[in-house]
Amino acid sequence: DGGITQSPKYLFRKEGQNVTLSCEQNLNHDAMYWYRQDPGQGLRLIYYSQIVNDFQKGDIAEGYSVSREKKESFPLTVTSAQKNPTAFYLCASSRGKFTGNTIYFGEGSWLTVV
Amino acid sequence: AQTVTQSQPEMSVQEAETVTLSCTYDTSESDYYLFWYKQPPSRQMILVIRQEAYKQQNATENRFSVNFQKAAKSFSLKISDSQLGDAAMYFCAYRSRSNAGNMLTFGGGTRLMVKP
Repeated sequence: DGGITQSPKYLFRKEGQNVTLSCEQNLNHDAMYWYRQDPGQGLRLIYYSQIVNDFQKGDIAEGYSVSREKKESFPLTVTSAQKNPTAFYLCASSRGKFTGNTIYFGEGSWLTVV
Repeated sequence: AQTVTQSQPEMSVQEAETVTLSCTYDTSESDYYLFWYKQPPSRQMILVIRQEAYKQQNATENRFSVNFQKAAKSFSLKISDSQLGDAAMYFCAYRSRSNAGNMLTFGGGTRLMVKP
């Protein structure tokens, strides 16, 4: 089945550690996105990438980093500089640069700082 | 920057009845896209319906329809014949048509409860 796979589903991080959330898609989509969702709130954009080897900061990029070495993969690293990383993280993708293309979402990853 | 506002944190509806969720947005652009996404307890975001701003006709998908009022910058979602499976968080989202606006801007969400 085609879709977006995020892993792990649940992740616990100790203070001061970097962690990486995986996002893989087999939809042949050019654009990929990372969103953060805090309890009871909407989604906020962290980073997005419209093409391989290129990515742009979203509204809340501080404390996060990404890479886009392959079309199907867009991992997100939550660094120790992110002061409040406990949240639900959603990866998404869409076809091409045409902004009318629908954005599809993965099932998300829960990150908790312990 | 665009903003999206959902003024109803929670709504409830009786099964088989109709409910309308409100959404307003602020933009200086004339061409854009609007979406409603559903987020059930599983947390996955599911596209419910989309509307192109240049189309005057309101979008419809089975029991889901929108009332798009461009001048008022309003985009409400109507759910007819509500079912228990409709219970979820609903998010309104905006997407610019310009090349720079390749991402979705979300409202804060409305929690819909369906009473049997």
